Amino acid sequence: GAVVSQHPSWVICKSGTSVKIECRSLDFQATTMFWYRQFPKQSLMLMATSNEGSKATYEQGVEKDKFLINHASLTLSTLTVTSAHPEDSSFYICSAREREAEAFFGQGTRLTVV
Amino acid sequence: GQNIDQPTEMTATEGAIVQINCTYQTSGFNGLFWYQQHAGEAPTFLSYNVLDGLEEKGRFSSFLSRSKGYSYLLLKELQMKDSASYLCAVIDSNYQLIWGAGTKLIIKP
Repeated sequence: GAVVSQHPSWVICKSGTSVKIECRSLDFQATTMFWYRQFPKQSLMLMATSNEGSKATYEQGVEKDKFLINHASLTLSTLTVTSAHPEDSSFYICSAREREAEAFFGQGTRLTVV
Repeated sequence: GQNIDQPTEMTATEGAIVQINCTYQTSGFNGLFWYQQHAGEAPTFLSYNVLDGLEEKGRFSSFLSRSKGYSYLLLKELQMKDSASYLCAVIDSNYQLIWGAGTKLIIKP
C-alpha cells in the first residue's frame, strides 16, 4: 500500500534553534499534504494544508512565520519550526494524498525543545 | 452528528489476547488512528488504517471495515505494561480528528 515516510521520528533541540521535519510520499504523488500537531492530553490539531507548488494554507491561530511549510515537489514536504521554544515541544504528524484519493499518514515526529 | 463508540473498560489476563472494538459515524472518512495512553501521559501513536483490512505490527494489529464503520485493535501476548487506555480516532471529511472516549484496559496477572 501507499507509504508516507516522516523523518526524523524524534528530535531534541536547544531553545532558539530551528528544526526541520520531512514528509515523503514513497510510491505516489502527494499533490496535497497536511501537517498536524498534538498537544499533551489533547487531540491532533490540523496546522496547515499545502498543495504542491503553492503556499500553504494555515489554520487560524497557527503562526506561518513560526512554522514554515515547503511543498516544492510531489513527493516531499517539510515543516520547519523556527526559533523553537519549549512550548513547541509536541508530536507533529504529516499526511499526504494524491488528488482526491485517500490520505496516508506518516509515523510522526516527537520534538522536544530543551 | 459525529459519533465514535468504544467500550469504557475491559479486563484481560497477562499472556492472553484482547480485542478492542470501535464503531464510528462521521461526516466523511479519511482514516482511523489507534492510540495508547498511560495515565498522566500523552497519547502514543499505535496504528493508522485508511484501507479495509488488517494491519499487523508485532503484538498489535488493527483492522478496518469502512462499509461497516468498524475497527478493532487486537493485542496479543498481553503484558502488564499494556494496561492503559486505548483511543480510537477518525479523520473526517475536513481532515479534523474526531476522538472516541477511550477504552481502559486492565491486565491481571
